[in-house]
Amino acid sequence: QVRLVESGGGVVQPGTSLRLSCAASGFTFRTYGMHWVRQAPGKGLEWVAHISYDGRNKYYGNSVKGRFTISRDNSKNTLYLQMNSLTTEDTAVYYCAKEVLQLIDHWGQGTLVTVSS
Amino acid sequence: DIQMTQSPSSLSASVGDRVTITCRASQDIRNDLGWYQQKPGKAPKRLIYAASSLQSGVPSRFSGSGFGTEFTLTISSLQPEDFATYYCLQHNKYPPTFGQGTKVEIQ
Repeated sequence: QVRLVESGGGVVQPGTSLRLSCAASGFTFRTYGMHWVRQAPGKGLEWVAHISYDGRNKYYGNSVKGRFTISRDNSKNTLYLQMNSLTTEDTAVYYCAKEVLQLIDHWGQGTLVTVSS
Repeated sequence: DIQMTQSPSSLSASVGDRVTITCRASQDIRNDLGWYQQKPGKAPKRLIYAASSLQSGVPSRFSGSGFGTEFTLTISSLQPEDFATYYCLQHNKYPPTFGQGTKVEIQ
């Protein structure tokens, strides 16, 4: 069965960086596009970024464009999100998600990122 | 960006009630829409894809309909385990956009 396990969250200060990882198993990782979606405390879901199956195409939400970078290592079945210049507005649970036919079908359990001084 | 307007933002209902949630897209998205259920502290779970196709393993009391700009999620007979927050998601154009969510509470 599909399993997505995020890691790398924690408490960081504004202006710093953090890298999230998502270990994938139970499916052929290299053949699926992947997403990051976040959810601020008590708020709704916000799409963050997408990467194509081969890593060639990447898309970002307006609120993270220029600060976050999505990447993948298909040899390690792992998805990444490099987050720079973090602000308090980036505090959220970050979910890794798999897509099929361009729509998210499976989600990880999420990792909490707290940006606070 | 395509705006997804979801209504209502919350509703109170009883076990056995029929519940309908609506998402309206700011432009034509054909049937490029999914519905998700999220329980507190848990990741979302997909219920519906392609606007009206039921995800494998999801109870048949859930159904989706719509095409173009108007979409609905219907729960035909609300069960105790259905109390949760529901979101629509359009994937017709980047960026994908979610509705604001509908919290279904016990009356």
